Amino acid sequence: NAGVTQTPKFQVLKTGQSMTLQCAQDMNHEYMSWYRQDPGMGLRLIHYSVGAGITDQGEVPNGYNVSRSTTEDFPLRLLSAAPSQTSVYFCASRTSGKNIQYFGAGTRLSVL
Amino acid sequence: TQLLEQSPQFLSIQEGENLTVYCNSSSVFSSLQWYRQEPGEGPVLLVTVVTGGEVKKLKRLTFQFGDARKDSSLHITAAQPGDTGLYLCAGEGPDTGNQFYFGTGTSLTVIP
Repeated sequence: NAGVTQTPKFQVLKTGQSMTLQCAQDMNHEYMSWYRQDPGMGLRLIHYSVGAGITDQGEVPNGYNVSRSTTEDFPLRLLSAAPSQTSVYFCASRTSGKNIQYFGAGTRLSVL
Repeated sequence: TQLLEQSPQFLSIQEGENLTVYCNSSSVFSSLQWYRQEPGEGPVLLVTVVTGGEVKKLKRLTFQFGDARKDSSLHITAAQPGDTGLYLCAGEGPDTGNQFYFGTGTSLTVIP
């Protein structure tokens, strides 16, 4: 059972570089979300999607883009990385009508 | 300022002691969840509460949802080293666009 798969697990970027964090789920879940986790801040919602072709902003969307072309995939794009985006990023999915969110193992990103 | 505030932020206790973690907000939630997170992993759901005043028990863990559905508590009886981890509350409701917003987290260490 793959569940929610995030790649890469670790990444180091220089300021201004771009990259895409990948998230894939094999549970046919409609809802997918991206969170970032920083010490003392818990998890903060970046962007979310309620289905293919539909995305919306969460608490901290600035500096991040998302798209949802398929049910399975929900990539998170950093167009011009900044040191403030150093964090651990988690992707989660759930089916509509159910409250159980399944999380990936996270991507640890450092921006120098 | 985050929508959900947890207290305390850090807690270090001896094995066998009891403890309570609080999750507070000024917003009303349709449901509230508690998660536990181990280092290097994503959060794992412990419980969901949906009714004001609801109490749920999971072995030595007792979860309560406030009558007004704005706050919640997690009580652990006779803590064990295996309870060590980061505890997170998450609420969803009209103020969150029906997406889950997380609290600031409580890091618990149980000393043998």
